Parts: sequence; C-alpha cells; structure tokens
Amino acid sequence: KNQVEQSPQSLIILEGKNCTLQCNYTVSPFSNLRWYKQDTGRGPVSLTIMTFSENTKSNGRYTATLDADTKQSSLHITASQLSDSASYICVVVGNYGGATNKLIFGTGTLLAVQP
Amino acid sequence: DGGITQSPKYLFRKEGQNVTLSCEQNLNHDAMYWYRQDPGQGLRLIYYSQIVNDFQKGDIAEGYSVSREKKESFPLTVTSAQKNPTAFYLCASSIRERGPEAFFGQGTRLTVV
Repeated sequence: KNQVEQSPQSLIILEGKNCTLQCNYTVSPFSNLRWYKQDTGRGPVSLTIMTFSENTKSNGRYTATLDADTKQSSLHITASQLSDSASYICVVVGNYGGATNKLIFGTGTLLAVQP
Repeated sequence: DGGITQSPKYLFRKEGQNVTLSCEQNLNHDAMYWYRQDPGQGLRLIYYSQIVNDFQKGDIAEGYSVSREKKESFPLTVTSAQKNPTAFYLCASSIRERGPEAFFGQGTRLTVV
C-alpha cells in the first residue's frame, strides 16, 4: 500500500479559479512534508517544505497546510494561471522499510488549467 | 548558474546494450540521488551517495550501477540486466542525506528500441 496517497489523480479548472489538492500519508514518524511542482518532461521543483510542527506555509499563490494529527496535507492554489498546469507531487520524509529519513513520493495530481 | 545538469535529455538504447546517464552538480552538495519515474507511479530510488567514493542501493537497484569519483558527478549506468529500462530518470542532490531541500535535474528520458 502506498504510504502517500494523493487526490484527485487529475483535475481540470478554468484560469483564475482556485483549487485544492489533497495528500494523505501513513508514514510515521516523519520529519517533513514537501510539495513539488513538475512540468511535463522536466524535473520537480520545490514549492513548500513543512516540519511536523508547522500548520501552514505559503509560497506566492501556493499555500500548503499540514495536520499532523490526521496525517493530511493540502496544497491550495489561488487565482490559477495557465502556467500552473503541471503535476503536483506530495513527498513525505520519514521512516519506511527499515530506512530512516526516506523520501516517499506520492503519485501526483495532474492539474490542467484551461483558458 | 548553480544547479544540476543531466544529459542527454533523450536517449535511445538497443536491447542488450549498456548506457550511461550523466548527472553533474555545482551546488557543492554532498548527497546525490538517482530516481526512476514511471507513469502512474511515484518516484522510486535507484541509488544514492552521501560522499565521494561511497554509494548505497535504493529500492530498485537491480540492473543499475553508479560511481561517485568526484563530488560533482554521479553517473548512472543502465545495464542489459535491467529488464524494463524505458523510463524517465531524475537525478537530485541535497546538502546532506535526505536534507531539507532536494534539487532535481531536468531528467533523461530513456527509450529501449
């Protein structure tokens, strides 16, 4: 079972609208949770990094929230732009499979922003 | 410009051939990583290295080999033993192992023909 589950798998929104992407994880303990943006055919780029003690972190129009009790995170995109079209990947850094501080990747949410 | 450079961007390989993917970084990072990305799956760790002349197997190391002779370079060889090598390969680096920030290269798409 994947330790990091993202939803929805894909999402289509109109330019200018807001959207929220979800990430549920079972990794425990964990040291930090990250959101990455990956354009098609490119490498992922970091958007936010949160430790377990942080509830929210913003990066421009991107705002990530974290609830360590329910093991849920969300990424909210405000006033979407065409350039926001990409895959958004949730990554949890924690202990898994006998390894410590391992990066565990979700499968991503594919966002398409239409004019 | 500081960053991670992967080359080539696209690579075609005949079955039975070994091929080497390049990864160079000028960020002065100690740790470097190789990941494989397949459609519908999260990134999976192939190999990682914390210091020069040392590297560790990741989750899917079979059929791959690496070297770390220089801090700046971490090439990945996809051998003929890798049964399903067609994938998007990503190299990353961080200040230390699993450090707070990992920077990724632009990827190499390998296709077996």
